[in-house]
Amino acid sequence: NAGVMQNPRHLVRRRGQEARLRCSPMKGHSHVYWYRQLPEEGLKFMVYLQKENIIDESGMPKERFSAEFPKEGPSILRIQQVVRGDSAAYFCASSPLPTGWETQYFGPGTRLLVL
Amino acid sequence: SQQGEEDPQALSIQEGENATMNCSYKTSINNLQWYRQNSGRGLVHLILIRSNEREKHSGRLRVTLDTSKKSSSLLITASRAADTASYFCATDASGSRLTFGEGTQLTVNP
Repeated sequence: NAGVMQNPRHLVRRRGQEARLRCSPMKGHSHVYWYRQLPEEGLKFMVYLQKENIIDESGMPKERFSAEFPKEGPSILRIQQVVRGDSAAYFCASSPLPTGWETQYFGPGTRLLVL
Repeated sequence: SQQGEEDPQALSIQEGENATMNCSYKTSINNLQWYRQNSGRGLVHLILIRSNEREKHSGRLRVTLDTSKKSSSLLITASRAADTASYFCATDASGSRLTFGEGTQLTVNP
């Protein structure tokens, strides 16, 4: 059973470009979470999705950021018109049940560098 | 202090010694989890302790939870150089999201 997969592992973008980060949850997991980690800090929650639904996006910046988890395919975190402050590690986690009942399993992360 | 705050921020010990890290939180929780993160890598889940549990063991790890004090501790016994990493506690007080602390950086010197 493969773990949570994220790609790309490293992504370099120039200011103003778009970044698309992909996350494939563990098999059988229908709950996906995205977190952002700035250097030397802990992870900060961004968004929680189930298949085709955004359940909680209270941690997502209001502009430029969006997330989806379609019926088929991976979950996508999209950052439009990236700025240097978007440089961070973005982690995806998945669980078979909502947190509170089950552990979240994390992927290896995508490290975004904005030049 | 923020939900899920670890102390100390950094800990340096010799191989073979025990390492204890603490985590405090503010609101009621369903469960508390500890994760490890090696430098530049993803998070590895270590242990989950539910709010009705007081202590849990997994190999060289021992986790305690005191809901009256809203605190938890992670003890790593007989530490090894490979235990060098950042350790985070995470709580699920805010619905389905996990709230992480800033982490404890553990260095185990050979």
